[in-house]
Amino acid sequence: DTAVSQTPKYLVTQMGNDKSIKCEQNLGHDTMYWYKQDSKKFLKIMFSYNNKELIINETVPNRFSPKSPDKAHLNLHINSLELGDSAVYFCASSQMAFQETQYFGPGTRLLVL
Amino acid sequence: AQTVTQSQPEMSVQEAETVTLSCTYDTSESDYYLFWYKQPPSRQMILVIRQEAYKQQNATENRFSVNFQKAAKSFSLKISDSQLGDAAMYFCSLYSGNTGKLIFGQGTTLQVKP
Repeated sequence: DTAVSQTPKYLVTQMGNDKSIKCEQNLGHDTMYWYKQDSKKFLKIMFSYNNKELIINETVPNRFSPKSPDKAHLNLHINSLELGDSAVYFCASSQMAFQETQYFGPGTRLLVL
Repeated sequence: AQTVTQSQPEMSVQEAETVTLSCTYDTSESDYYLFWYKQPPSRQMILVIRQEAYKQQNATENRFSVNFQKAAKSFSLKISDSQLGDAAMYFCSLYSGNTGKLIFGQGTTLQVKP
C-alpha cells in the first residue's frame, strides 16, 4: 500500500497547455505539501494545506493553483505551462501542521516542450 | 533567513568502507529539526535520519549516524559499511518550528564503488 501517491508519474506537454497533478495520502495525515525540484536538483516548498486550508504559500506564479478537496488529497493545477515549469513535483504529507516529519510521494516529472 | 549548505557536490566510497557527508546550516530559531533524506535514481525521497535540535545525543539508525554540533551549526551524516544500495543523492534539510517549512541543501551525490 502506497502511503503518498501521485499521478501521473510522467507528464509531457506543450507550452501554453494546462495540466494537473494529483496527490493522495492514506496515512490519515492532516497536512499536505507540494515541492518543486528543479533541473539542478534543488528542492523548494511551494504550498502546504492543513485540513483543506492553505497555510504555506511561497512565492510561486499564480499560474500554479493548489486545490484540496479533502484532507487526503492535494492537487496541483498549472495554467499556461512554460518551459521553466519543467521539473519534478513532489507531494508530501505530515501528521499535522508544523510537524517536522514529512513523507514524500514518488514525484511527477513534468516536461514542457 | 534560514539556509542549509552542502559543500560536497559529489562523494565516493568503496563498498564496506565508511563515508561522511557534510552539512552546515544557519537559523536563529531554537525550535528546529534536522534531517537527511536519500534520493536514489528512482527519485523517491526517503527519510534516512532525523535529529531534534534540543537533544544533545546524536541520532543513529542502523548504519547511519549523525554528528550534530549545535554551536558550530554542523550536521554531518556518517554511513558505515557502505553498500551498493546506498548510492544516491543525499539531502540535508532543516525544519523550522516557527514557519513549518522544510528547507533543503543542494544535495550530495554519493557513489559506491564495488
